[in-house]
Amino acid sequence: GAVVSQHPSWVICKSGTSVKIECRSLDFQATTMFWYRQFPKQSLMLMATSNEGSKATYEQGVEKDKFLINHASLTLSTLTVTSAHPEDSSFYICSATRQGLANTEAFFGQGTRLTVV
Amino acid sequence: GNSVTQMEGPVTLSEEAFLTINCTYTATGYPSLFWYVQYPGEGLQLLLKATKADDKGSNKGFEATYRKETTSFHLEKGSVQVSDSAVYFCALSASLSGGYNKLIFGAGTRLAVHP
Repeated sequence: GAVVSQHPSWVICKSGTSVKIECRSLDFQATTMFWYRQFPKQSLMLMATSNEGSKATYEQGVEKDKFLINHASLTLSTLTVTSAHPEDSSFYICSATRQGLANTEAFFGQGTRLTVV
Repeated sequence: GNSVTQMEGPVTLSEEAFLTINCTYTATGYPSLFWYVQYPGEGLQLLLKATKADDKGSNKGFEATYRKETTSFHLEKGSVQVSDSAVYFCALSASLSGGYNKLIFGAGTRLAVHP
């Protein structure tokens, strides 16, 4: 199967700082990437859909100025949590779908655990 | 709208027991259906999928059949192992404009298998 790599796997940062999380599709071109947030023992909540070369589409209730998403190439999308606060601590997961295939499988990164202290 | 409802966990079983995790969905159109598994501290891995009614997805001894008449996609395994302990997510794909997917997840069901 296709490989999606997320980096870093975990990060601890101080309140008020910004953190960037990278999501890369290693062996395929991903026109569309998705960013999810998962709270402990809960399901995944879609935050935004990221299309290469265009602005991300955010889900209702997600602050676009706080969670900056950039999808500059067909293999890389980044999520930047700006001015992080302890309530932003969570598990963030990205997924990617292959270019040009409709209704197809999404491949997930291994996730990034963010802890804001 | 589109939604997925899963049975609440945790589900606790002894090794070699039979497993069923119920999943029902609400969707417009004809979505694809998926089961994903998440091991502790990791991302999600696709376990199996079905893309149309009456399709059966299977992998690693797990099976699920796409039942359009009951809008269900229940996960089953005849004999679970300790290594199957994980969280299982049922999901459907809703097509966005341009033909790409948006996955909608159920709440997840935690499975614990004891020796």
